[in-house]
Amino acid sequence: ETGVTQTPRHLVMGMTNKKSLKCEQHLGHNAMYWYKQSAKKPLELMFVYSLEERVENNSVPSRFSPECPNSSHLFLHLHTLQPEDSALYLCASSQTPPGWTDTQYFGPGTRLTVL
Amino acid sequence: RKEVEQDPGPFNVPEGATVAFNCTYSNSASQSFFWYRQDCRKEPKLLMSVYSSGNEDGRFTAQLNRASQYISLLIRDSKLSDSATYLCVVNRPHRDNTDKLIFGTGTRLQVFP
Repeated sequence: ETGVTQTPRHLVMGMTNKKSLKCEQHLGHNAMYWYKQSAKKPLELMFVYSLEERVENNSVPSRFSPECPNSSHLFLHLHTLQPEDSALYLCASSQTPPGWTDTQYFGPGTRLTVL
Repeated sequence: RKEVEQDPGPFNVPEGATVAFNCTYSNSASQSFFWYRQDCRKEPKLLMSVYSSGNEDGRFTAQLNRASQYISLLIRDSKLSDSATYLCVVNRPHRDNTDKLIFGTGTRLQVFP
């Protein structure tokens, strides 16, 4: 399935690096999300964009910086990360904001390792 | 108390068995409930929504008990391909219609031959 794509699929970076994660949805949805999934922990919502406007910032450290240039694309810019930021980062989209209880469609995720 | 709580398992069952998972939620105002499935090292995918009257999709049956604040998933005639982690998902209502989906940690199912 190619509804929601993410690149890169795997990323290894040092604590001083700057990198970006990219997400693209081909479903015509209006809301996009970033989640973090760490081992043995539930998915943690990080950011929500509705119609390209950020509507949720879930107390995420400033070393994570989202960007949504249009309704189909979402980026997560990373800088000076810590080893505990190593996790699977999942992008998702849903059809109609407001009301975020629509079905969310997830991308395959980027598995990030911070050395 | 966790907002969404699931038994992490693993549940190890033989092919053909019937297995049931429960999930409890703490917010009595929650209105939307889902089961997602996540295969190893893959993304979560919607398995089914859970309706008040209960619903069935082939071998899968989902039920909601509002009084006790739990939802359940029943899988009949288990297949090897059912092996995955099953995530319970509940909405957290908020003013301005800006609900969030809250995910449980998941219940792992392993079906063996």
